[in-house]
Amino acid sequence: QVHLEESGGGVVQPGRSLRLSCKVSGFTFSNSGMHWVRQAPGKGLEWLSLISSDATYTYYAHSVKGRFTISRDNSKNTLYLQMSSVSADDMAIYYCAKDPGLAGFYFEFWGQGTLVTVSS
Amino acid sequence: SYELTQPPSVSVSPGQTARITCFGDVLPKQYAYWYQQKPGQAPMMIIYKDSERPSGIPERFSGSSSGTTVTLTISGVQAEDEADYYCQSSDNSGNYRMFGGGTKVTVL
Repeated sequence: QVHLEESGGGVVQPGRSLRLSCKVSGFTFSNSGMHWVRQAPGKGLEWLSLISSDATYTYYAHSVKGRFTISRDNSKNTLYLQMSSVSADDMAIYYCAKDPGLAGFYFEFWGQGTLVTVSS
Repeated sequence: SYELTQPPSVSVSPGQTARITCFGDVLPKQYAYWYQQKPGQAPMMIIYKDSERPSGIPERFSGSSSGTTVTLTISGVQAEDEADYYCQSSDNSGNYRMFGGGTKVTVL
Protein backbone atom coordinates (compact mmCIF):
# COMPACT_ATOMS: atom_id res chain seq x y z
CA GLN A 1 0.00 0.00 0.00
CA VAL A 2 1.04 3.61 -0.45
CA HIS A 3 3.05 5.04 2.41
CA LEU A 4 4.67 8.43 2.87
CA GLU A 5 6.73 9.19 5.95
CA GLU A 6 8.15 12.60 6.73
CA SER A 7 11.14 13.15 8.98
CA GLY A 8 13.60 15.85 9.89
CA GLY A 9 11.35 18.10 11.88
CA GLY A 10 12.35 19.47 15.24
CA VAL A 11 13.39 22.68 16.93
CA VAL A 12 15.27 25.18 14.79
CA GLN A 13 16.48 28.64 15.71
CA PRO A 14 15.24 31.67 13.79
CA GLY A 15 17.41 32.38 10.79
CA ARG A 16 18.78 28.85 10.63
CA SER A 17 18.20 26.04 8.14
CA LEU A 18 16.54 22.66 8.28
CA ARG A 19 16.05 19.85 5.78
CA LEU A 20 12.92 17.73 5.76
CA SER A 21 12.68 14.32 4.12
CA CYS A 22 9.78 12.25 2.87
CA LYS A 23 10.41 8.57 2.24
CA VAL A 24 7.76 6.87 0.10
CA SER A 25 6.78 3.34 -0.80
CA GLY A 26 3.94 1.52 -2.51
CA PHE A 27 4.01 3.42 -5.80
CA THR A 28 6.48 4.30 -8.54
CA PHE A 29 8.05 7.40 -7.05
CA SER A 30 9.98 8.29 -10.20
CA ASN A 31 6.70 8.64 -12.12
CA SER A 32 5.02 10.95 -9.61
CA GLY A 33 5.06 14.65 -8.99
CA MET A 34 5.30 15.49 -5.29
CA HIS A 35 4.21 18.34 -3.07
CA TRP A 36 4.91 19.90 0.30
CA VAL A 37 2.02 21.34 2.28
CA ARG A 38 2.17 22.84 5.75
CA GLN A 39 -0.21 23.66 8.56
CA ALA A 40 0.64 26.16 11.27
CA PRO A 41 -0.69 25.37 14.76
CA GLY A 42 -4.43 25.88 14.80
CA LYS A 43 -4.40 27.20 11.25
CA GLY A 44 -5.35 26.01 7.80
CA LEU A 45 -3.49 24.17 5.07
CA GLU A 46 -0.97 25.99 2.92
CA TRP A 47 0.45 24.56 -0.30
CA LEU A 48 4.19 25.21 -0.51
CA SER A 49 5.81 23.53 -3.47
CA LEU A 50 5.57 21.03 -6.31
CA ILE A 51 8.33 19.10 -8.03
CA SER A 52 7.86 17.18 -11.25
CA SER A 53 8.61 13.48 -11.43
CA ASP A 54 12.06 13.98 -12.96
CA ALA A 55 12.81 17.18 -11.01
CA THR A 56 12.84 19.23 -14.20
CA TYR A 57 10.23 21.63 -12.89
CA THR A 58 9.69 23.13 -9.47
CA TYR A 59 7.06 25.57 -8.28
CA TYR A 60 6.74 27.51 -5.06
CA ALA A 61 4.20 29.53 -3.14
CA HIS A 62 5.14 33.18 -2.78
CA SER A 63 5.55 32.76 0.97
CA VAL A 64 8.55 30.43 0.60
CA LYS A 65 9.98 31.20 -2.84
CA GLY A 66 13.66 32.01 -2.54
CA ARG A 67 13.96 30.49 0.95
CA PHE A 68 12.80 26.90 0.50
CA THR A 69 14.07 24.41 -2.06
CA ILE A 70 12.26 21.24 -3.06
CA SER A 71 14.27 18.35 -4.44
CA ARG A 72 14.12 14.60 -4.82
CA ASP A 73 16.27 11.52 -5.14
CA ASN A 74 14.42 8.98 -7.24
CA SER A 75 17.02 6.32 -6.48
CA LYS A 76 16.13 6.61 -2.80
CA ASN A 77 12.38 7.16 -3.20
CA THR A 78 12.81 10.30 -1.15
CA LEU A 79 11.55 13.87 -1.39
CA TYR A 80 13.24 16.77 0.36
CA LEU A 81 12.48 20.29 1.48
CA GLN A 82 15.45 22.49 2.33
CA MET A 83 14.29 25.33 4.54
CA SER A 84 16.51 28.35 5.08
CA SER A 85 16.22 31.63 6.96
CA VAL A 86 13.36 30.20 8.95
CA SER A 87 11.15 32.45 11.03
CA ALA A 88 8.32 32.00 13.50
CA ASP A 89 5.92 32.04 10.54
CA ASP A 90 7.44 28.77 9.36
CA MET A 91 6.47 26.87 12.50
CA ALA A 92 4.06 24.20 11.32
CA ILE A 93 3.41 20.57 10.58
CA TYR A 94 4.91 19.82 7.18
CA TYR A 95 3.23 17.21 5.01
CA CYS A 96 4.44 15.61 1.82
CA ALA A 97 1.79 14.57 -0.66
CA LYS A 98 1.67 12.64 -3.90
CA ASP A 99 0.41 14.29 -7.05
CA PRO A 100 -2.14 12.19 -8.98
CA GLY A 101 -0.70 13.18 -12.35
CA LEU A 102 -3.19 13.29 -15.18
CA ALA A 103 -6.06 12.42 -12.82
CA GLY A 104 -6.30 15.97 -11.59
CA PHE A 105 -4.86 18.86 -9.66
CA TYR A 106 -5.18 17.57 -6.11
CA PHE A 107 -3.27 15.68 -3.44
CA GLU A 108 -3.73 11.95 -3.74
CA PHE A 109 -1.93 10.57 -0.69
CA TRP A 110 -0.48 12.29 2.36
CA GLY A 111 2.08 11.50 4.97
CA GLN A 112 1.36 12.03 8.65
CA GLY A 113 3.53 15.12 8.82
CA THR A 114 6.60 16.29 10.69
CA LEU A 115 6.52 19.19 13.14
CA VAL A 116 8.89 22.11 12.78
CA THR A 117 9.21 24.36 15.81
CA VAL A 118 11.02 27.67 15.49
CA SER A 119 12.46 28.83 18.78
CA SER A 120 15.58 30.47 20.09
CA SER B 1 -2.94 35.30 -6.96
CA TYR B 2 -6.04 33.19 -6.58
CA GLU B 3 -7.83 32.88 -3.26
CA LEU B 4 -10.55 30.61 -1.94
CA THR B 5 -12.91 31.82 0.78
CA GLN B 6 -14.80 29.59 3.22
CA PRO B 7 -16.87 30.38 6.31
CA PRO B 8 -14.83 29.71 9.46
CA SER B 9 -17.47 27.57 11.10
CA VAL B 10 -20.75 25.76 10.58
CA SER B 11 -22.85 24.23 13.33
CA VAL B 12 -25.44 21.55 12.69
CA SER B 13 -27.58 19.16 14.70
CA PRO B 14 -27.26 15.41 14.14
CA GLY B 15 -29.38 14.25 11.22
CA GLN B 16 -29.59 17.70 9.71
CA THR B 17 -27.83 19.00 6.59
CA ALA B 18 -24.61 20.98 6.65
CA ARG B 19 -23.59 23.11 3.69
CA ILE B 20 -20.12 24.57 3.35
CA THR B 21 -19.44 27.09 0.61
CA CYS B 22 -16.17 27.98 -1.05
CA PHE B 23 -15.86 31.08 -3.19
CA GLY B 24 -13.11 31.88 -5.67
CA ASP B 25 -12.57 33.48 -9.05
CA VAL B 26 -10.69 30.43 -10.26
CA LEU B 27 -13.58 28.06 -9.66
CA PRO B 28 -15.41 28.58 -12.97
CA LYS B 29 -12.20 27.50 -14.71
CA GLN B 30 -10.74 24.87 -12.40
CA TYR B 31 -12.15 21.96 -10.46
CA ALA B 32 -12.53 22.08 -6.70
CA TYR B 33 -11.61 19.34 -4.29
CA TRP B 34 -12.72 18.89 -0.69
CA TYR B 35 -10.75 17.44 2.19
CA GLN B 36 -11.81 16.38 5.66
CA GLN B 37 -9.31 16.70 8.48
CA LYS B 38 -9.85 15.37 11.97
CA PRO B 39 -7.63 16.38 14.91
CA GLY B 40 -4.17 14.90 14.75
CA GLN B 41 -4.74 13.41 11.30
CA ALA B 42 -3.66 14.24 7.80
CA PRO B 43 -6.33 15.57 5.42
CA MET B 44 -8.37 13.07 3.44
CA MET B 45 -10.04 13.88 0.13
CA ILE B 46 -13.80 13.37 0.16
CA ILE B 47 -14.87 15.08 -3.07
CA TYR B 48 -12.92 15.51 -6.29
CA LYS B 49 -13.62 17.38 -9.51
CA ASP B 50 -16.38 19.43 -7.87
CA SER B 51 -18.83 16.61 -7.28
CA GLU B 52 -17.24 13.18 -7.61
CA ARG B 53 -16.96 10.99 -4.54
CA PRO B 54 -14.00 8.62 -4.10
CA SER B 55 -14.73 5.04 -3.25
CA GLY B 56 -15.24 4.50 0.44
CA ILE B 57 -16.63 7.97 1.09
CA PRO B 58 -20.20 7.85 2.44
CA GLU B 59 -22.99 8.95 0.14
CA ARG B 60 -24.04 11.66 2.58
CA PHE B 61 -21.11 13.71 1.29
CA SER B 62 -21.81 15.50 -1.99
CA GLY B 63 -20.42 18.43 -3.91
CA SER B 64 -21.81 20.93 -6.37
CA SER B 65 -20.59 23.89 -8.35
CA SER B 66 -22.14 27.08 -9.62
CA GLY B 67 -19.98 29.79 -11.11
CA THR B 68 -17.52 31.11 -8.56
CA THR B 69 -18.95 29.02 -5.72
CA VAL B 70 -18.63 25.36 -4.87
CA THR B 71 -20.55 23.72 -2.07
CA LEU B 72 -19.93 20.69 0.08
CA THR B 73 -23.13 19.20 1.45
CA ILE B 74 -23.27 16.73 4.28
CA SER B 75 -26.73 15.19 4.46
CA GLY B 76 -27.83 13.50 7.66
CA VAL B 77 -24.84 14.71 9.62
CA GLN B 78 -23.37 12.26 12.09
CA ALA B 79 -21.25 12.95 15.14
CA GLU B 80 -18.24 11.47 13.36
CA ASP B 81 -18.48 14.20 10.70
CA GLU B 82 -17.25 16.79 13.16
CA ALA B 83 -14.01 17.95 11.56
CA ASP B 84 -12.34 20.69 9.59
CA TYR B 85 -13.15 20.84 5.88
CA TYR B 86 -11.00 22.47 3.23
CA CYS B 87 -11.70 23.30 -0.38
CA GLN B 88 -8.76 23.24 -2.78
CA SER B 89 -8.18 24.24 -6.35
CA SER B 90 -5.40 25.34 -8.64
CA ASP B 91 -4.36 27.91 -11.17
CA ASN B 92 -4.95 27.15 -14.84
CA SER B 93 -1.65 25.27 -15.20
CA GLY B 94 -2.29 23.09 -12.17
CA ASN B 95 1.19 23.86 -10.95
CA TYR B 96 0.09 26.25 -8.22
CA ARG B 97 -2.43 24.93 -5.76
CA MET B 98 -4.42 26.75 -3.11
CA PHE B 99 -6.65 25.94 -0.17
CA GLY B 100 -9.55 27.73 1.36
CA GLY B 101 -9.12 28.80 4.94
CA GLY B 102 -11.06 25.83 6.25
CA THR B 103 -14.45 25.39 7.89
CA LYS B 104 -14.90 23.80 11.28
CA VAL B 105 -18.05 21.71 11.37
CA THR B 106 -19.48 21.31 14.85
CA VAL B 107 -22.16 18.72 15.47
CA LEU B 108 -24.36 20.03 18.26
